[in-house]
Amino acid sequence: DQQVKQNSPSLSVQEGRISILNCDYTNSMFDYFLWYKKYPAEGPTFLISISSIKDKNEDGRFTVFLNKSAKHLSLHIVPSQPGDSAVYFCAADSSNTGKLIFGQGTTLQVKP
Amino acid sequence: NAGVTQTPKFQVLKTGQSMTLQCAQDMNHEYMSWYRQDPGMGLRLIHYSVGAGITDQGEVPNGYNVSRSTTEDFPLRLLSAAPSQTSVYFCASSYTGAGGAFFGQGTRLTVV
Repeated sequence: DQQVKQNSPSLSVQEGRISILNCDYTNSMFDYFLWYKKYPAEGPTFLISISSIKDKNEDGRFTVFLNKSAKHLSLHIVPSQPGDSAVYFCAADSSNTGKLIFGQGTTLQVKP
Repeated sequence: NAGVTQTPKFQVLKTGQSMTLQCAQDMNHEYMSWYRQDPGMGLRLIHYSVGAGITDQGEVPNGYNVSRSTTEDFPLRLLSAAPSQTSVYFCASSYTGAGGAFFGQGTRLTVV
């Protein structure tokens, strides 16, 4: 029973264009959502997060949107850069328990 | 500042052997957790801790034990290794449960 799903295993975009990574969840108790980036042979690094009381959070080139009614969140990267090429994971938590539930990941390739 | 340190980086075990994966953090974080990453499965939570002396199970706890005697250390023990435990293991720590967790570099474990 996958509570957090990233249905697109991979995404390829041109440098300078927008990258949109999507994530769906099923558990209504989730109230905090995070995005991580992972390069090969390294641990994931925290990118951006959003609380369920908000519908948008922005940090530089990265923006996360949350649609609670659809149980859907997305990460927008504008403009995309070749250094953004990595695997992106979304994760969810409920009531600040620390029990992060991750999606399967989406591999982003940004072509020069 | 070392952050989250995992040892060893690589390990090969024979079926039935036991071993301990070490994890240490120097950021005085209360929350620590262990994940395993398998192809197509994302990161799955094995065990986590919200402070010294307190541990709880995650999504896939079977075959693993943990203890948290100090704030800094959170070792993961495999009592009798099985080929199904072949995976990459990540340790993470954070100030709060839903805060951006810091991950270690990972331990690649192969059980033959």
